[in-house]
Amino acid sequence: GAVVSQHPSWVICKSGTSVKIECRSLDFQATTMFWYRQFPKQSLMLMATSNEGSKATYEQGVEKDKFLINHASLTLSTLTVTSAHPEDSSFYICSAQTSLIERYGYTFGSGTRLTVV
Amino acid sequence: GDSVTQMEGPVTLSEEAFLTINCTYTATGYPSLFWYVQYPGEGLQLLLKATKADDKGSNKGFEATYRKETTSFHLEKGSVQVSDSAVYFCALSDLGSYDKVIFGPGTSLSVIP
Repeated sequence: GAVVSQHPSWVICKSGTSVKIECRSLDFQATTMFWYRQFPKQSLMLMATSNEGSKATYEQGVEKDKFLINHASLTLSTLTVTSAHPEDSSFYICSAQTSLIERYGYTFGSGTRLTVV
Repeated sequence: GDSVTQMEGPVTLSEEAFLTINCTYTATGYPSLFWYVQYPGEGLQLLLKATKADDKGSNKGFEATYRKETTSFHLEKGSVQVSDSAVYFCALSDLGSYDKVIFGPGTSLSVIP
């Protein structure tokens, strides 16, 4: 149980375009989802925390107008990278929180590798 | 704020060698501690966890004990396999308050035949 599906697993886009990444909880309701960014050979850095039905809370230094987060339902959160540039190329991972976390820990998606050319 | 420190990699071991990856933490409360594993090109998988002092988490031959007195959560495995090659992240979170997960920098492990 507690499976998180993230889509797409990889995407290549042109500079200036927008990309949407989806994160779905498949067999549970996720009231809170976290979005992380990982640069090559580095750790995961939290970008924002999204709660269903409310605005996301962004970490310091993360541009909220560039990284749009929507958490419209208890099973879906989306991250949209707007006007992407090559420096936005990275590995993005979502994580969902559920009352089951005492048993499973936080559940992570499989990640999305974004390459902006 | 809360933080996690783990040994720098990369670590290269021969198959069947003993593995230790050190992890220490700083936290104001009483966090839960985790080890996550990331295989090449993939997301994170929970390897094991411990929620209170002296708890031992174990999975797939890996184990780690929550040591509150030394604020440590070292990962060990008695005999590594080539398939264990991955990046290992030590992490903490205060599950009681549903807080975010804070990750260490990760340790890359390569196991050679």
